[in-house]
Amino acid sequence: DGGITQSPKYLFRKEGQNVTLSCEQNLNHDAMYWYRQDPGQGLRLIYYSQIVNDFQKGDIAEGYSVSREKKESFPLTVTSAQKNPTAFYLCASSKQGPINSNQPQHFGDGTRLSIL
Amino acid sequence: EDQVTQSPEALRLQEGESSSLNCSYTVSGLRGLFWYRQDPGKGPEFLFTLYSAGEEKEKERLKATLTKKESFLHITAPKPEDSATYLCAVNAGGTSYGKLTFGQGTILTVHP
Repeated sequence: DGGITQSPKYLFRKEGQNVTLSCEQNLNHDAMYWYRQDPGQGLRLIYYSQIVNDFQKGDIAEGYSVSREKKESFPLTVTSAQKNPTAFYLCASSKQGPINSNQPQHFGDGTRLSIL
Repeated sequence: EDQVTQSPEALRLQEGESSSLNCSYTVSGLRGLFWYRQDPGKGPEFLFTLYSAGEEKEKERLKATLTKKESFLHITAPKPEDSATYLCAVNAGGTSYGKLTFGQGTILTVHP
Protein backbone atom coordinates (compact mmCIF):
# COMPACT_ATOMS: atom_id res chain seq x y z
CA ASP A 1 0.00 0.00 0.00
CA GLY A 2 1.16 3.52 -0.75
CA GLY A 3 1.80 5.83 2.10
CA ILE A 4 4.11 8.10 4.04
CA THR A 5 6.73 6.62 6.33
CA GLN A 6 8.27 8.68 9.11
CA SER A 7 11.18 7.49 11.20
CA PRO A 8 12.10 7.16 13.91
CA LYS A 9 8.86 7.10 15.89
CA TYR A 10 10.64 8.49 18.97
CA LEU A 11 13.79 10.62 19.05
CA PHE A 12 15.79 12.16 21.84
CA ARG A 13 18.06 15.15 21.41
CA LYS A 14 20.91 16.26 23.61
CA GLU A 15 21.75 19.90 24.14
CA GLY A 16 23.66 21.37 21.21
CA GLN A 17 22.89 18.44 18.95
CA ASN A 18 21.32 18.46 15.49
CA VAL A 19 18.90 15.65 14.72
CA THR A 20 17.32 14.59 11.43
CA LEU A 21 13.80 13.24 10.99
CA SER A 22 13.12 11.07 7.99
CA CYS A 23 10.06 11.26 5.72
CA GLU A 24 9.59 9.00 2.69
CA GLN A 25 6.50 8.73 0.47
CA ASN A 26 5.60 6.29 -2.31
CA LEU A 27 2.42 8.07 -3.38
CA ASN A 28 4.16 9.83 -6.30
CA HIS A 29 3.11 13.15 -4.79
CA ASP A 30 4.85 16.32 -5.91
CA ALA A 31 4.41 18.40 -2.77
CA MET A 32 5.66 17.59 0.71
CA TYR A 33 5.28 19.40 4.02
CA TRP A 34 6.56 19.41 7.59
CA TYR A 35 4.34 20.40 10.51
CA ARG A 36 4.86 20.71 14.22
CA GLN A 37 2.05 19.77 16.63
CA ASP A 38 2.00 20.98 20.23
CA PRO A 39 -0.69 20.20 22.80
CA GLY A 40 -3.68 22.55 22.52
CA GLN A 41 -2.42 24.13 19.31
CA GLY A 42 -3.20 23.57 15.68
CA LEU A 43 -0.61 22.12 13.34
CA ARG A 44 1.95 24.73 12.33
CA LEU A 45 3.80 24.64 9.03
CA ILE A 46 7.60 24.49 9.22
CA TYR A 47 8.66 24.01 5.58
CA TYR A 48 7.09 22.89 2.33
CA SER A 49 8.36 21.76 -1.05
CA GLN A 50 6.47 21.71 -4.34
CA ILE A 51 9.18 20.12 -6.50
CA VAL A 52 12.57 18.51 -6.16
CA ASN A 53 15.42 20.86 -5.23
CA ASP A 54 13.01 23.59 -4.17
CA PHE A 55 11.48 24.39 -0.78
CA GLN A 56 10.02 27.37 1.09
CA LYS A 57 9.79 28.42 4.71
CA GLY A 58 6.51 28.07 6.50
CA ASP A 59 5.35 29.96 9.57
CA ILE A 60 7.90 28.62 12.05
CA ALA A 61 11.05 27.75 10.05
CA GLU A 62 13.61 29.22 12.48
CA GLY A 63 15.87 26.51 13.90
CA TYR A 64 14.94 23.98 11.21
CA SER A 65 16.36 23.01 7.82
CA VAL A 66 15.22 20.71 5.02
CA SER A 67 16.38 19.26 1.72
CA ARG A 68 14.50 17.79 -1.27
CA GLU A 69 16.99 15.88 -3.39
CA LYS A 70 14.49 13.18 -4.39
CA LYS A 71 10.78 13.33 -5.05
CA GLU A 72 10.15 10.60 -2.47
CA SER A 73 12.16 12.09 0.39
CA PHE A 74 11.93 15.27 2.48
CA PRO A 75 14.11 15.04 5.62
CA LEU A 76 13.85 17.65 8.38
CA THR A 77 16.83 18.65 10.53
CA VAL A 78 16.14 20.16 13.92
CA THR A 79 19.20 22.24 14.69
CA SER A 80 20.64 23.32 18.03
CA ALA A 81 19.25 26.79 17.26
CA GLN A 82 15.73 25.50 17.89
CA LYS A 83 15.40 26.20 21.60
CA ASN A 84 12.09 24.45 22.17
CA PRO A 85 12.17 21.39 19.93
CA THR A 86 10.03 19.07 22.06
CA ALA A 87 6.96 18.35 19.92
CA PHE A 88 5.23 15.88 17.62
CA TYR A 89 6.48 16.31 14.05
CA LEU A 90 4.28 15.38 11.12
CA CYS A 91 5.20 14.99 7.48
CA ALA A 92 2.56 15.27 4.75
CA SER A 93 2.31 15.11 0.99
CA SER A 94 -0.22 16.05 -1.67
CA LYS A 95 -0.70 15.37 -5.36
CA GLN A 96 0.20 18.82 -6.59
CA GLY A 97 1.76 21.95 -5.18
CA PRO A 98 -0.43 24.18 -3.04
CA ILE A 99 -0.54 27.00 -5.57
CA ASN A 100 -1.98 24.87 -8.35
CA SER A 101 -4.17 22.49 -6.49
CA ASN A 102 -6.64 22.05 -3.71
CA GLN A 103 -5.85 18.40 -3.14
CA PRO A 104 -5.94 17.07 0.42
CA GLN A 105 -2.70 16.50 2.26
CA HIS A 106 -1.98 12.99 3.54
CA PHE A 107 0.05 12.49 6.68
CA GLY A 108 2.58 10.08 8.11
CA ASP A 109 2.35 8.80 11.69
CA GLY A 110 4.77 11.30 13.12
CA THR A 111 7.99 11.48 15.11
CA ARG A 112 7.93 12.50 18.75
CA LEU A 113 11.04 14.49 19.65
CA SER A 114 12.10 15.01 23.24
CA ILE A 115 15.06 16.68 24.94
CA LEU A 116 17.37 14.67 27.17
CA GLU B 1 -4.89 36.69 8.94
CA ASP B 2 -6.60 33.36 8.33
CA GLN B 3 -8.17 31.91 11.46
CA VAL B 4 -9.85 28.60 12.25
CA THR B 5 -11.63 27.95 15.55
CA GLN B 6 -13.06 24.61 16.56
CA SER B 7 -15.63 24.02 19.27
CA PRO B 8 -16.07 22.48 21.68
CA GLU B 9 -12.51 21.67 22.75
CA ALA B 10 -13.72 18.34 24.10
CA LEU B 11 -16.98 16.43 23.77
CA ARG B 12 -18.08 13.37 25.70
CA LEU B 13 -20.97 11.33 24.32
CA GLN B 14 -22.73 8.13 25.18
CA GLU B 15 -22.79 5.50 22.49
CA GLY B 16 -25.70 6.29 20.17
CA GLU B 17 -25.95 9.94 21.26
CA SER B 18 -25.72 12.05 18.08
CA SER B 19 -24.03 15.46 18.12
CA SER B 20 -22.09 17.98 16.03
CA LEU B 21 -18.63 19.51 16.02
CA ASN B 22 -18.14 23.06 14.80
CA CYS B 23 -15.39 24.69 12.73
CA SER B 24 -15.62 28.45 12.28
CA TYR B 25 -13.26 30.15 9.87
CA THR B 26 -12.17 33.62 8.78
CA VAL B 27 -10.19 33.57 5.56
CA SER B 28 -9.54 35.87 2.63
CA GLY B 29 -11.06 33.44 0.16
CA LEU B 30 -11.93 29.82 0.85
CA ARG B 31 -10.56 27.33 -1.66
CA GLY B 32 -11.43 24.31 0.43
CA LEU B 33 -12.15 23.05 3.93
CA PHE B 34 -10.76 19.74 5.13
CA TRP B 35 -11.74 17.44 7.99
CA TYR B 36 -9.28 14.97 9.49
CA ARG B 37 -9.44 12.36 12.23
CA GLN B 38 -6.40 11.88 14.47
CA ASP B 39 -5.91 8.96 16.84
CA PRO B 40 -3.44 9.27 19.76
CA GLY B 41 0.17 8.96 18.61
CA LYS B 42 -0.84 8.83 14.94
CA GLY B 43 -0.95 11.25 12.04
CA PRO B 44 -4.20 12.85 10.86
CA GLU B 45 -6.34 10.72 8.58
CA PHE B 46 -8.14 12.55 5.78
CA LEU B 47 -11.94 12.41 5.94
CA PHE B 48 -13.57 15.06 3.70
CA THR B 49 -12.99 18.07 1.50
CA LEU B 50 -15.72 20.70 1.10
CA TYR B 51 -15.32 23.40 -1.55
CA SER B 52 -18.42 25.61 -1.51
CA ALA B 53 -21.27 26.66 0.76
CA GLY B 54 -24.14 24.20 0.74
CA GLU B 55 -21.92 21.23 -0.02
CA GLU B 56 -22.30 18.06 2.07
CA LYS B 57 -20.20 14.89 2.29
CA GLU B 58 -20.97 11.64 4.13
CA LYS B 59 -18.95 8.67 5.30
CA GLU B 60 -20.50 6.03 7.52
CA ARG B 61 -21.70 7.84 10.67
CA LEU B 62 -20.08 11.14 9.72
CA LYS B 63 -21.58 13.97 7.69
CA ALA B 64 -19.78 17.23 6.96
CA THR B 65 -21.56 20.42 5.90
CA LEU B 66 -20.30 23.86 4.89
CA THR B 67 -21.65 27.41 5.09
CA LYS B 68 -19.89 30.67 4.26
CA LYS B 69 -18.61 31.01 7.82
CA GLU B 70 -18.47 27.55 9.32
CA SER B 71 -18.52 23.81 8.87
CA PHE B 72 -20.18 21.16 10.96
CA LEU B 73 -19.18 17.55 11.40
CA HIS B 74 -22.31 15.66 12.39
CA ILE B 75 -21.87 12.31 14.11
CA THR B 76 -24.92 10.07 14.04
CA ALA B 77 -25.27 7.27 16.59
CA PRO B 78 -21.56 7.28 17.45
CA LYS B 79 -19.67 4.21 18.59
CA PRO B 80 -16.66 4.02 20.95
CA GLU B 81 -14.38 3.54 17.92
CA ASP B 82 -15.32 7.04 16.77
CA SER B 83 -13.35 8.41 19.73
CA ALA B 84 -10.52 10.57 18.35
CA THR B 85 -9.44 14.15 17.83
CA TYR B 86 -11.15 15.75 14.84
CA LEU B 87 -9.22 18.47 13.04
CA CYS B 88 -10.51 21.09 10.65
CA ALA B 89 -8.26 22.94 8.19
CA VAL B 90 -8.84 25.56 5.53
CA ASN B 91 -7.05 26.28 2.28
CA ALA B 92 -7.39 30.00 1.68
CA GLY B 93 -7.20 31.80 -1.64
CA GLY B 94 -6.32 35.42 -2.30
CA THR B 95 -2.63 36.17 -2.09
CA SER B 96 -1.93 33.12 0.03
CA TYR B 97 -0.02 30.28 -1.59
CA GLY B 98 -2.77 28.00 -0.48
CA LYS B 99 -1.37 26.63 2.74
CA LEU B 100 -3.56 24.82 5.25
CA THR B 101 -4.52 26.65 8.44
CA PHE B 102 -5.56 24.20 11.14
CA GLY B 103 -7.90 24.56 14.10
CA GLN B 104 -6.91 23.24 17.52
CA GLY B 105 -9.14 20.20 17.18
CA THR B 106 -12.06 18.70 19.11
CA ILE B 107 -11.35 15.69 21.30
CA LEU B 108 -14.31 13.32 21.01
CA THR B 109 -14.84 10.54 23.56
CA VAL B 110 -17.68 8.08 23.07
CA HIS B 111 -18.54 5.92 26.08
CA PRO B 112 -20.14 2.48 25.69
